[in-house]
Amino acid sequence: NAGVTQTPKFQVLKTGQSMTLQCAQDMNHNSMYWYRQDPGMGLRLIYYSASEGTTDKGEVPNGYNVSRLNKREFSLRLESAAPSQTSVYFCASSGLRYAAEQYFGPGTRLTVT
Amino acid sequence: AQSVTQLDSQVPVFEEAPVELRCNYSSSVSVYLFWYVQYPNQGLQLLLKYLSGSTLVKGINGFEAEFNKSQTSFHLRKPSVHISDTAEYFCAVRENDYKLSFGAGTTVTVRA
Repeated sequence: NAGVTQTPKFQVLKTGQSMTLQCAQDMNHNSMYWYRQDPGMGLRLIYYSASEGTTDKGEVPNGYNVSRLNKREFSLRLESAAPSQTSVYFCASSGLRYAAEQYFGPGTRLTVT
Repeated sequence: AQSVTQLDSQVPVFEEAPVELRCNYSSSVSVYLFWYVQYPNQGLQLLLKYLSGSTLVKGINGFEAEFNKSQTSFHLRKPSVHISDTAEYFCAVRENDYKLSFGAGTTVTVRA
């Protein structure tokens, strides 16, 4: 099993450009998540999908959109990138409703100039 | 809503010495508690979790943590660290929903 995979690993964008970060999991998990990690701030939840067909805002959703394409895939889109979105983005997935741990992908390092 | 405070942002420690990383949380309901480790340029990996039962939880790589409900704490310990334990450690809390709240992280640097 590959677990949680993310593409791309690195990306540089200019302000105003758009891009989509891809995430896929092969663990048959129901729930998927997008986080951003910034120095000294831990991980902050951007959006999550409790199950296929549903998505909800997390702590910092502004400037982002998501699509739960199917049970395996959950993408994050930046419509008009801003320097404040320079960060490392992690996708995660989890199985059972409350008690299960989340499994994380390797991350995408995004720089917006 | 819960918040998570990791009391130390940086912890330098010598090889084979013990280490304790402190985590406090605030929540008005029962919670699930987790410690994750992040090695340089990698994603997060679960070290251990507390769901219920015994308050002393053992995890991978010789780590353990103790849940203290009255002090709302979940401190992580290892009796003897190795160079390979150099990493960032995150405490996380989950209430009865899908969301994890993370602390800001503690960077552990192990020196020979």
